[in-house]
Amino acid sequence: SYELTQPPSVSVSPGQTATITCSGDALPKKYAYWYQQRTGQAPVMVIYKDNQRPSGIPERFSGSSSGTTVTLTINGVQAEDEADYYCQSKDKSGPYAVFGGGTKLTVL
Amino acid sequence: QMQLEESGGGVVQPGRSLRLSCAASKFTFNMYAMHWVRQAPGKGLEWVAIISEDGGDKSYADSVKGRFTISRDNSNNTLSLHMNSLRPEDTAIYYCARGDTMVNYYMDVWGKGTTVTVSS
Repeated sequence: SYELTQPPSVSVSPGQTATITCSGDALPKKYAYWYQQRTGQAPVMVIYKDNQRPSGIPERFSGSSSGTTVTLTINGVQAEDEADYYCQSKDKSGPYAVFGGGTKLTVL
Repeated sequence: QMQLEESGGGVVQPGRSLRLSCAASKFTFNMYAMHWVRQAPGKGLEWVAIISEDGGDKSYADSVKGRFTISRDNSNNTLSLHMNSLRPEDTAIYYCARGDTMVNYYMDVWGKGTTVTVSS
């Protein structure tokens, strides 16, 4: 089955830049999406179609894509950004959605 | 603001059935595909199923295929998930989420979730 691979954790200090990667061999052909999930809350989409930001999402959130890796970047990290982040895409070989394992962002 | 509200969760014995519902409001429900996504305690997100805008096309994760059925009632703006032959590993928070089409699989609006516990 298709897998998306994320680092389990990332830690940054307030004001620094956080970078979270997601790797999958179908990503050159399939869009990636990113979701933020704060503790005890439902997920929220923060990036769609690799690098588009939904309305209401702060400009410090951005996405990029290069080959089999997509990246979520958070510039000027704030305490409120501490959350789990999940990448998601569509399976290359069937009508399935796939999530990465999630990355816990800790703001030191 | 667009809203999704799940209901129907609870505690159920292994092998039994349960039906979840999701009420949609403040958007044109029949213009969007809809998803169910679940999250087991302490674990990550797992996609469960998708249904097309008109309900004619459906797809399921292998882990639930043959046991779960997704359906929708566009006249009442309601999404459902019928879960049969439940297993302990189905224990999770179940979220309904708004999608796009059957081409782009993403979830841009989420409900708060309903909790299903499968235990004897």
